[in-house]
Amino acid sequence: SQTIHQWPATLVQPVGSPLSLECTVEGTSNPNLYWYRQAAGRGLQLLFYSVGIGQISSEVPQNLSASRPQDRQFILSSKKLLLSDSGFYLCARSIGTVYNSPLHFGNGTRLTVT
Amino acid sequence: GIQVEQSPPDLILQEGANSTLRCNFSDSVNNLQWFHQNPWGQLINLFYIPSGTKQNGRLSATTVATERYSLLYISSSQTTDSGVYFCAVLTGANSKLTFGKGITLSVRP
Repeated sequence: SQTIHQWPATLVQPVGSPLSLECTVEGTSNPNLYWYRQAAGRGLQLLFYSVGIGQISSEVPQNLSASRPQDRQFILSSKKLLLSDSGFYLCARSIGTVYNSPLHFGNGTRLTVT
Repeated sequence: GIQVEQSPPDLILQEGANSTLRCNFSDSVNNLQWFHQNPWGQLINLFYIPSGTKQNGRLSATTVATERYSLLYISSSQTTDSGVYFCAVLTGANSKLTFGKGITLSVRP
């Protein structure tokens, strides 16, 4: 199984509150993991990617951070949410890099910051 | 950076019709993938196709890397084909896919 688990499916949070979204994957070990955000109007933006435990690359400087405490666990966090953090957050994985393997997505978390 | 353009932006089909979705890109690529996002937001990888042609049931895709385009063919469309179709490309040796803006397909019964 190559299942990607994301929770929660939907989340409503007030401005200034913290955030923690968790993603866990089953199947192959040492996957490459990714966090994407999709704002209203469909564009997909890469936020973070990780090639291994503790290794995080940030693509966009912002109010968010990511961590990979275990091989198959990827966490997206914020200390204080902004209205602009609203969006659809998707965790994804590839077996190797996306240079040579397909990218697969979880079902996503729809975040509304009020 | 590389530009990815998808056309047409919106497409409405009657069930049973065929369609061709296009993805143009501005630079040479190492990898190209097609995705379908259903109305509930779920993103499914349809094809990993840096070059050549692949088929999966009613769907097929062709990438002509030298001419910098890819085509996704949908035959005998069904209402479940509705949603947004994205192509995404990879340049160089990094891990960053660049997505197009998507094509919204509506298949009517």
